[in-house]
Amino acid sequence: QQQVKQSPQSLIVQKGGIPIINCAYENTAFDYFPWYQQFPGKGPALLIAIRPDVSEKKEGRFTISFNKSAKQFSLHIMDSQPGDSATYFCAASKETSGSRLTFGEGTQLTVNP
Amino acid sequence: GAVVSQHPSRVICKSGTSVKIECRSLDFQATTMFWYRQFPKQSLMLMATSNEGSKATYEQGVEKDKFLINHASLTLSTLTVTSAHPEDSSFYICSARRISNYGYTFGSGTRLTVV
Repeated sequence: QQQVKQSPQSLIVQKGGIPIINCAYENTAFDYFPWYQQFPGKGPALLIAIRPDVSEKKEGRFTISFNKSAKQFSLHIMDSQPGDSATYFCAASKETSGSRLTFGEGTQLTVNP
Repeated sequence: GAVVSQHPSRVICKSGTSVKIECRSLDFQATTMFWYRQFPKQSLMLMATSNEGSKATYEQGVEKDKFLINHASLTLSTLTVTSAHPEDSSFYICSARRISNYGYTFGSGTRLTVV
């Protein structure tokens, strides 16, 4: 079954903290793992994505850690800011076949000033 | 680059009427476009997948006669909600997958309210 499980459902941190959002997947055929940020009333925007041939990827303050054997990946946000307050979705797909994205349930992040 | 324009951003219609939502890839050609529905505080729920020039593939439970999808070109897909009812009120989002490389770009969404 193609599922992606995401946790926690909500997360509150202080400015400067490092929120961590975790996702686990079941389908070992997945080969593309993106994270999306969504603000209220807007569509999701790609933050960062990783492929299973690397264990970590950094882009600015955002880092993805990927554990292929555990079928888990996580998003770390360094030096979080109030402007990072949004809903974050992990997703997975089998890119080579052009399949659709399977989304996690989402995490509502609040960064307090 | 990789911009997807979705219109309208919000629409209010009367029950029983039809509403068309347009999704256009502005600077790239899209092999595939996806249509999602999102309820408050929930994840995106895939409604259908469309390829240019082909009939859309609908997810289980999605009424194809109610949610008409047309993908007439590599840059344009439309979703028409026919005979809308209040329970169709939701946030609809399109996404386009690029021909040239991997990746999915999302539109800004359409808030549909049926009164």
